[in-house]
Amino acid sequence: EVQLVESGGGLEQPGGSLRLSCTASGFTFSSYEMNWVRQPPGKGPEWVSYVSSGGDITHYADSVKGRFTISRDNAKNSLILQMSSLRDEDTAVYYCVRDATLGAGPDAFDIWGQGTMVSVSS
Amino acid sequence: DIQMTQSPSSLSASVGDRVTITCRAGQIIANWLAWYQQKSGKAPKLLIYKASSLQSGVPSRFSGSGFGTEFTLTISSLQPDDSATYYCQQYNSYSTFGGGTKVEIK
Repeated sequence: EVQLVESGGGLEQPGGSLRLSCTASGFTFSSYEMNWVRQPPGKGPEWVSYVSSGGDITHYADSVKGRFTISRDNAKNSLILQMSSLRDEDTAVYYCVRDATLGAGPDAFDIWGQGTMVSVSS
Repeated sequence: DIQMTQSPSSLSASVGDRVTITCRAGQIIANWLAWYQQKSGKAPKLLIYKASSLQSGVPSRFSGSGFGTEFTLTISSLQPDDSATYYCQQYNSYSTFGGGTKVEIK
């Protein structure tokens, strides 16, 4: 079964850091471009970050640029989001998501994890 | 950022009704548009990609159309299981989602 499982969410104070992880199974992880998408409570999804299949190309939403870092370990089928300088507005469910098409650049997202909640509050 | 505007924000319809949701892009995005269904407490599910291509396993009552800046998602005969919030997403330039349309069954 194709599956993405996130972990690492929790409650953090403004200015703090969190590290989210996503473990992939059921497909050749190293072939796919991956993303993080977040969804604040009661709002629509927001794309956060992208990483190429090899990990050498990354992109970020302006709202997180300079604060978040995306990376991957293809040997461990793992996707990481390192978040620092957290703000109240970073509060959201964070999803690990897979690009639907191999090597296509910006893409639709065909596989989503169950999400992990990040709450930023003092 | 490319802004995506969905309408209506919510609707209520009866089982068997034809339902149409509209998504407008702030600039031309060709056919780089997807539609998702999200049920309460769950992750979004891909329904349509490239504006009109049906994702594998999605019922044929769902269809998409449009090109450029105007797009529609149509449910040809609304079913009880279709109660959910629907989002459009552009992927012409990075990715942006619309604000969502909540579909309720009368």
